[in-house]
Amino acid sequence: AQSVTQPDIHITVSEGASLELRCNYSYGATPYLFWYVQSPGQGLQLLLKYFSGDTLVQGIKGFEAEFKRSQSSFNLRKPSVHWSDAAEYFCAVGPSGGYNKLIFGAGTRLAVHP
Amino acid sequence: GAGVSQSPRYKVAKRGQDVALRCDPISGHVSLFWYQQALGQGPEFLTYFQNEAQLDKSGLPSDRFFAERPEGSVSTLKIQRTQQEDSAVYLCASSLGPGTTSGANVLTFGAGSRLTVL
Repeated sequence: AQSVTQPDIHITVSEGASLELRCNYSYGATPYLFWYVQSPGQGLQLLLKYFSGDTLVQGIKGFEAEFKRSQSSFNLRKPSVHWSDAAEYFCAVGPSGGYNKLIFGAGTRLAVHP
Repeated sequence: GAGVSQSPRYKVAKRGQDVALRCDPISGHVSLFWYQQALGQGPEFLTYFQNEAQLDKSGLPSDRFFAERPEGSVSTLKIQRTQQEDSAVYLCASSLGPGTTSGANVLTFGAGSRLTVL
């Protein structure tokens, strides 16, 4: 079955600390991979995506993610968190061809302490 | 337009009422998706349009849910005889189209329509 697992429901970090949000997936073939962020009352904003090539991808707002095929993981990282990063983060997978029917994880809610 | 626009942003319905949610995708986007996001959950796929054709409706939870995109641009999601379990945020997303190019497969989401059924 196709699925996305985000093991951490809530994470709290101090401002300036580093961050890693975990994402594991189960998919029949090598998928396209995405991280989206959702602030309260807002839609989903794309942070970054992996289609092919270099397994370390850079995104907006200083985020990066690394695709590890052997571990079926696509973890999101940021070296220094800002208070404005507090939001909910969703990992998603989709097919590498055809229309992009995304499967989302349940999300990780990030809180940032000053 | 510059982004995906959804209306209304908030809708309160009494159980048994019909509701209609509207989505204006980015101009020129061929693909249009509807997702349902329950409280505390990730979005779940409802249905997909390529232009005016509804190619995938496998995620619609019951025959009370109906979606259309008659001219290949604006789409409407209709829920008949609403139930409390229909309470959720309904997200619309669009993309350039199906394919394997990086731009074609990036979904842009609207802010969503929050439906509360009393």
